[in-house]
Amino acid sequence: QVQMVESGGGVVQPGGSLRLSCVASGFTLSSFGMHWVRQAPGKGLEWVAFIGFDGGSIHYAGFVKGRFTISRDNSKNTLYLQLNNLGTEDMAVYYCAKDLSYSRASPGYWGQGTLVTVSS
Amino acid sequence: AIQMTQSPSSLSASVGDRVTITCRASQGIGNDLGWYQQKPGKAPKLLIFAASRLQSGVPSRFSGSGSGTDFTLTISSLQPEDFATYYCLQDYIYPFTFGPGTEVEIK
Repeated sequence: QVQMVESGGGVVQPGGSLRLSCVASGFTLSSFGMHWVRQAPGKGLEWVAFIGFDGGSIHYAGFVKGRFTISRDNSKNTLYLQLNNLGTEDMAVYYCAKDLSYSRASPGYWGQGTLVTVSS
Repeated sequence: AIQMTQSPSSLSASVGDRVTITCRASQGIGNDLGWYQQKPGKAPKLLIFAASRLQSGVPSRFSGSGSGTDFTLTISSLQPEDFATYYCLQDYIYPFTFGPGTEVEIK
């Protein structure tokens, strides 16, 4: 059964950093691209970043502006998102999601999310 | 980046109603569009991919159509468990972009 469990969220001051993790199970992480998607409180979904199955392809949303870094360690079945220089606008639930299939780069399966709160 | 719009932003409907939600892309995206359902406090769930293909396990009352810039999600007979917010997502080109969502409420 495909499962992703996110962790690493918490309260951080403006300008601070956090590293989010997403541990995958029930499938071979090294075979699939992975996404991060976020949702601010009471707002819609916002796509954040993608990393290809081997880390060779990486894409970010425009608002990232060099502040976030997506990475993966397939040997640990883990996806990461390093968040730097956080602002109040980055406060959200961050979801990791697995590509639907080998040939379809759609976020097909989602974790339950981890909450990032930015507050002084 | 490609901009996605949805209409309506919300709607009220009754159990058994036929519901249609539209999504429009700011440029052509072929059939690279997905529809997601999200209930409060839960992760989104993929319903439709490639504009019209039903994800495994999703009831057949959900259907999708369209290509290019205009897409539609239809629920043929609304069920109590379908009251949720629905989002479209273009996965044609990075950065992927979601529509703003359509909230389906009980009338």
